[in-house]
Amino acid sequence: NAGVTQTPEFQVLKTGQSMTLQCAQDMNHEYMSWYRQDPGMGLRLIHYSVGAGITDQGEVPNGYNVSRSTTEDFPLRLLSAAPSQTSVYFCASSYQPSSTDTQYFGPGTRLTVL
Amino acid sequence: DAKTTQPPSMDCAEGRAANLPCNHSTISGNEYVYWYRQIHSQGPQYIIHGLKNNETNEMASLIITEDRKSSTLILPHATLRDTAVYYCIVRDRYNNNDMRFGAGTRLTVKP
Repeated sequence: NAGVTQTPEFQVLKTGQSMTLQCAQDMNHEYMSWYRQDPGMGLRLIHYSVGAGITDQGEVPNGYNVSRSTTEDFPLRLLSAAPSQTSVYFCASSYQPSSTDTQYFGPGTRLTVL
Repeated sequence: DAKTTQPPSMDCAEGRAANLPCNHSTISGNEYVYWYRQIHSQGPQYIIHGLKNNETNEMASLIITEDRKSSTLILPHATLRDTAVYYCIVRDRYNNNDMRFGAGTRLTVKP
């Protein structure tokens, strides 16, 4: 298994540009989520999904959209990038949305918005 | 806000046990204690979790106090590769979305 994969690894955007961060998992996990991590801080939950067709907001959802058309993929869209969205973005997945289930994290996407 | 308090940094000598404390004084009966670590800006890696009993796996041991208000992660024989930021997280057993990371403890293992 490849586990959780994320693309791109690095991205530079200009203010106002849009882009999609890709996340995929091949473990047949129902639960997927997106976090952002700012320098020197812990991770903050942006959006999550408990299964295909179901998404919901996390702690810091503003400026981001998600969709979950398949079990495997959970893309994160920035509609109009802002410098405040400069961060490292991590995607995670787990088999079920239960706290007894371990979350597996991808390698991250390092985004800079100029 | 994270529901846990951890020291910002700790040092440990290579080969010695690393004991990382965590306070979670407001923990409820439905909440587990989880530990993750993050090595060099990679994605966080699961270490161990527990509810109220002490737990041990191939990576570490987790000691939870009887009142569950604090816990200690023990790396029995720390190596240089254990240098990382360690996160203590309290999670509701019925809500996977409540996994709030604080700033963690930066553990530096020194030769």
